[in-house]
Amino acid sequence: DGGITQSPKYLFRKEGQNVTLSCEQNLNHDAMYWYRQDPGQGLRLIYYSQIVNDFQKGDIAEGYSVSREKKESFPLTVTSAQKNPTAFYLCASSIGQGPAFFGQGTRLTVV
Amino acid sequence: SQQGEEDPQALSIQEGENATMNCSYKTSINNLQWYRQNSGRGLVHLILIRSNEREKHSGRLRVTLDTSKKSSSLLITASRAADTASYFCATHPRGSNYKLTFGKGTLLTVNP
Repeated sequence: DGGITQSPKYLFRKEGQNVTLSCEQNLNHDAMYWYRQDPGQGLRLIYYSQIVNDFQKGDIAEGYSVSREKKESFPLTVTSAQKNPTAFYLCASSIGQGPAFFGQGTRLTVV
Repeated sequence: SQQGEEDPQALSIQEGENATMNCSYKTSINNLQWYRQNSGRGLVHLILIRSNEREKHSGRLRVTLDTSKKSSSLLITASRAADTASYFCATHPRGSNYKLTFGKGTLLTVNP
């Protein structure tokens, strides 16, 4: 089955820890995206990548880091510098500026 | 900053009625897309309209785009309880390559 997979579905982090969220796609899409969604809010763009080994900051990149070493994978690290990391994180991919396909999300909670 | 703003923030209607949601955006775009999100899930793409198109249909969905007013509308006809979800517009701003930005969404509730 072709699709985009995020893992884990739920993640708990202690304050001061870094944590990495996984996003994998087998759709052969060139573009990949990370968004943050807070309760009752829209999606805010964290980072996006157009091709392998290249990525750009979105609107709320502070406290986050990404890598794009393979076309299929775009992991997001939430660092200890992110002061309010509790949120729902969504990964997406697309062919150019076409429709984006989304994963089912990772819900991150700081404990 | 978020490019799009949906209006209204929430909409409650009865089954069989039509639902209209609006989206306004700030800068010139290459295309505008509408997505649907069921609670706690990922988003699902509904329809894409290019900047040189004015109207597009897909099943019970009708999307219009007015680039002079920087606005779009999504009409869902003959709504069903299963249409209950949040609806978001998203844009690719012109000149920003693949950047895709979303609005805050409209929560649609269709009552049986």
